[in-house]
Amino acid sequence: GDSVTQMEGPVTLSEEAFLTINCTYTATGYPSLFWYVQYPGEGLQLLLKATKADDKGSNKGFEATYRKETTSFHLEKGSVQVSDSAVYFCALSDRRGGSEKLVFGKGTKLTVNP
Amino acid sequence: DSGVTQTPKHLITATGQRVTLRCSPRSGDLSVYWYQQSLDQGLQFLIQYYNGEERAKGNILERFSAQQFPDLHSELNLSSLELGDSALYFCASSVETGRETQYFGPGTRLLVL
Repeated sequence: GDSVTQMEGPVTLSEEAFLTINCTYTATGYPSLFWYVQYPGEGLQLLLKATKADDKGSNKGFEATYRKETTSFHLEKGSVQVSDSAVYFCALSDRRGGSEKLVFGKGTKLTVNP
Repeated sequence: DSGVTQTPKHLITATGQRVTLRCSPRSGDLSVYWYQQSLDQGLQFLIQYYNGEERAKGNILERFSAQQFPDLHSELNLSSLELGDSALYFCASSVETGRETQYFGPGTRLLVL
């Protein structure tokens, strides 16, 4: 079945450092791709999404580009802040059977130190 | 705030018991999804309802069941609880079932002792 693999954490960075969290996927068809973020003690929030190949999703300084040729959707941010400390989940939409369920990676915990 | 509400926020119960988790979707959303987040399994899709009908099933145990009511709120029933059912249970909603974004509630943290 469909699956998502994202880099193991935890990731620890200093403020203003460059962030990359790798995400690759295996899917039949053409799924939409998502990054969700979970701040400590909270639920999941949609960070960004891309619905077709070469689309770039962006939000709050974060970006990710849907690369069909490498089946990847890496998350990047040029300059992280302490407030970006959270767990980041890469996900794809599995539309088999007329549903739209999400398949998640295992999550990457990011800690940003001042 | 996503607009999706879940109650209760925390639940502590004993093995063998039954609990009901409640979810109210965003206004206008017809589709409700349930997910389980545990340390060993990660985030897993359990079940989806669309406008009162079951649409898809994932890794949902037979001891678990769900329904969506005419007012579109949904309940997830967990019975004969085991220690391994301890997890965070999320509800999400979307307008329909297509390329729509799912919006997640804050979750219900279940602890089975």
